[in-house]
Amino acid sequence: GAGVSQSPSNKVTEKGKDVELRCDPISGHTALYWYRQRLGQGLEFLIYFQGNSAPDKSGLPSDRFSAERTGESVSTLTIQRTQQEDSAVYLCASSLAQGSYEQYFGPGTRLTVT
Amino acid sequence: SQKIEQNSEALNIQEGKTATLTCNYTNYSPAYLQWYRQDPGRGPVFLLLIRENEKEKRKERLKVTFDTTLKQSLFHITASQPADSATYLCALETGGFKTIFGAGTRLFVKA
Repeated sequence: GAGVSQSPSNKVTEKGKDVELRCDPISGHTALYWYRQRLGQGLEFLIYFQGNSAPDKSGLPSDRFSAERTGESVSTLTIQRTQQEDSAVYLCASSLAQGSYEQYFGPGTRLTVT
Repeated sequence: SQKIEQNSEALNIQEGKTATLTCNYTNYSPAYLQWYRQDPGRGPVFLLLIRENEKEKRKERLKVTFDTTLKQSLFHITASQPADSATYLCALETGGFKTIFGAGTRLFVKA
C-alpha cells in the first residue's frame, strides 16, 4: 500500500509568515510523529499523536509551533510567524501502535525561511 | 534526560569488509532500540529492532547487539557494498511516547 506522504515537498516562505505542513500517514497506523532535521544533524522530536489520546507536545520548540490530527488520519504542523532558524526538513512518521513498532517516514518537507 | 551518542566522524571502509557502528546512551535503559538508514534527501528507513532481553539480532548481512550493562548497541554490516553507503541512525524509546534519535554516523564504502 501507499507509504507516508507529506506536502508540500518544498516550501519557501518569508520571515514572519505562517506555514502549514501536511502529513498523510499509512492507513491503520494509530501513532504519528513529527520531527525536525536541520542540515547535517539528527532528528529532533517535536510531537507525537496516539489514537485519541492527548498528544505529547513536549518537543515543540516554542508556542509558534502547533499540530493537529484528525482521528487516525491526516496531521498538520503549523508554524506561525516563521523565523530563519525554523529552516529545516520536517519529517513525519507513522507506526502501527505506540511503543515497540518501527516508524515509517515520509519524504519530508524542506522549509526555507528567507 | 536521555542522551544518545553516535560517532560523528564518518566511517570509511573498503568493499567486502565489515562495518561496525556504535550507539551509546546514558540514563534511562530503553526497552528496545532501533536502527535506521537515511539516504541524502530522504526520510529514514527502519532496519532492525532489538529488545532489552535480546543480546543479538540478525537480518541478512546486518547484525545488531544490545548490551544493557554497557548501555551500548553495535551495528554491523558484513560483506559491505558501496550501496551500503548512507547515514545510520540509532533510536531509543524513552519510556514515554517519544523516540529519541542519535545524530547518525555516515558510512562510506569504497569499491
